[in-house]
Amino acid sequence: DAKTTQPTSMDCAEGRAANLPCNHSTISGNEYVYWYRQIHSQGPQYIIHGLKNNETNEMASLIITEDRKSSTLILPHATLRDTAVYYCIVRVSETSGSRLTFGEGTQLTVNP
Amino acid sequence: DGGITQSPKYLFRKEGQNVTLSCEQNLNHDAMYWYRQDPGQGLRLIYYSQIVNDFQKGDIAEGYSVSREKKESFPLTVTSAQKNPTAFYLCASNLAGAPNEQYFGPGTRLTVT
Repeated sequence: DAKTTQPTSMDCAEGRAANLPCNHSTISGNEYVYWYRQIHSQGPQYIIHGLKNNETNEMASLIITEDRKSSTLILPHATLRDTAVYYCIVRVSETSGSRLTFGEGTQLTVNP
Repeated sequence: DGGITQSPKYLFRKEGQNVTLSCEQNLNHDAMYWYRQDPGQGLRLIYYSQIVNDFQKGDIAEGYSVSREKKESFPLTVTSAQKNPTAFYLCASNLAGAPNEQYFGPGTRLTVT
């Protein structure tokens, strides 16, 4: 699976959009981009994933560059409960396994 | 409620003892996983199982063992051979096929002294 690079930490004001970048310059054509988040001492929570097109769901939007070498997770109106570590993961989607390789992620702190 | 349960939430053991961590899911998921997380770090894969009675080693399997006798259960045994067993252990599951997100349990924090 391709390696990802994320900033160690970011801050965001409550109510503003949080834009979390991820670099995955060695991504292969059959690798998806996944985002998970982990609130302290809890299990990670799936947020969103995409292959080539931008994606949006009730939690966030995922913007993937045309060359697929980077992506941005957007939380449109961050709340204090969005404070968490956010993990960007790229992986091959296989029918015979779904291994996730976690890096150290980005600690997002939403400030009042 | 559907989901993944791990028990207990906190577990304390003396060095040299084996300990088994429970993971149960009622989501009818085919694949199950065990991860370990150390403070300030990401998750590392210990073992995973895609089908009953079959499992594969992950990146840090040494000192651990698993079984998958039932679809809904995937217990992890931390043996005395694991040199640094104190950690946060997370179980996850997902449907077979792709791309499918993994659902995680609440975790078990194991402390060995």
